[in-house]
Amino acid sequence: EVQLVESGGGLEQPGRSLRLSCVASGFNFDEYTMHWVRQTPGKGLEWVAGISWKTISRGYADSVKGRFTISRDDAENSVYLQMNSLRPEDTGLYYCSKDIARQQLAYDAFHIWGQGTMVTVSS
Amino acid sequence: DIQMTQSPSSLSASVGDRVTITCRASQSVDNYLNWYQQKPGQAPKLLIYATSTLESGVPPRFSGAGSGTHFTLTITGLQPEDYATYYCQQSHSKLTFGGGTKVE
Repeated sequence: EVQLVESGGGLEQPGRSLRLSCVASGFNFDEYTMHWVRQTPGKGLEWVAGISWKTISRGYADSVKGRFTISRDDAENSVYLQMNSLRPEDTGLYYCSKDIARQQLAYDAFHIWGQGTMVTVSS
Repeated sequence: DIQMTQSPSSLSASVGDRVTITCRASQSVDNYLNWYQQKPGQAPKLLIYATSTLESGVPPRFSGAGSGTHFTLTITGLQPEDYATYYCQQSHSKLTFGGGTKVE
């Protein structure tokens, strides 16, 4: 069974950091682009970041560029999101997602989703 | 960034109805348009990708059409399990979602 399990969310103060993790199973993790997508009451669904297979490329939404970093460890079947300089508007449910396209650099569709981890940024 | 606009934002429909949701892009996305279904407390689920290709396991009552800037998702014969919120998403340039359409 294909599965993504996120962890690392929680309550953090503005300006602080959090690191989200996502462990994958049931597919050849190293062949797929992985993404982080968040869902907030204010902006709905928003793509946050993506990392291609073999970490050939990474992409970020303008709203997080320079503050968030996506990375992956293919040996651990894991993808991470390092979130620095957190802002209240970063509050939301963060989903890890597998892209539908295999061994591609272009971002396509969010094929498989985890159940999400909640991030709350508040003083 | 490409803006995606869905209409209506919500609609009321009965079991058996034909339901059509529209998604418009602020510029052409060719056929790089995907649709998702989200039920309360659940993650979104991919229904249709590349405008009209049904994801495996999705019932054929769901269909997608369009190109360029105008796309539709149609449910032919609404079923009780179809009451949910539907989102479009483009992958032509970065990745952006529409605001969602709640079917109730």
